[in-house]
Amino acid sequence: DAKTTQPNSMESNEEEPVHLPCNHSTISGTDYIHWYRQLPSQGPEYVIHGLTSNVNNRMASLAIAEDRKSSTLILHRATLRDAAVYYCILLGTSYGKLTFGQGTILTVHP
Amino acid sequence: DAGVIQSPRHEVTEMGQEVTLRCKPISGHDYLFWYRQTMMRGLELLIYFNNNVPIDDSGMPEDRFSAKMPNASFSTLKIQPSEPRDSAVYFCASSPLRDRVNHGANVLTFGAGSRLTVL
Repeated sequence: DAKTTQPNSMESNEEEPVHLPCNHSTISGTDYIHWYRQLPSQGPEYVIHGLTSNVNNRMASLAIAEDRKSSTLILHRATLRDAAVYYCILLGTSYGKLTFGQGTILTVHP
Repeated sequence: DAGVIQSPRHEVTEMGQEVTLRCKPISGHDYLFWYRQTMMRGLELLIYFNNNVPIDDSGMPEDRFSAKMPNASFSTLKIQPSEPRDSAVYFCASSPLRDRVNHGANVLTFGAGSRLTVL
């Protein structure tokens, strides 16, 4: 499975936008880009996913580079509840094999 | 929708004892997954089922671990005998098969996890 690279940690202030980057230079044409997050003491939670085009939902936006070798999860206005570990994962034909890396620890300051 | 339900939420046991973790997936979901999370190894996929049939158990660490899915609404992960190194949080997740062609588009819903401590 193709690997992803994320910064270990990032910090943000409340009500400011947050851009969480992910590099996936070995992505294949059939790999979807998924983002999950894990709040303290909870299971991972689906955030958003995309293939080629940018995607928006009620939680976040996903910006995918034209060559698909990188993507950015955008939280438009961070809240304290957004403090979590954010995982960028590639999911392809090996169904179910969500391979989690170390993710990015997001700290949100009041 | 109550989501994926796991029990027990916390379990403390002594080395050598049998441990059984339980999971109730979301109704109508075709796939069920068992993951384990530790500080050292992060989140690891142990096994997953499709329509109650085990599809891939290559992540099961050793023969002490076994998983069953007797019906669409229930699965167990059993450790016998348990060892201190099995201490971890065990997550169950389920997923519908909305997209039969593009598997990568399918989304998992995780339970709250079962925290196991083996003394």
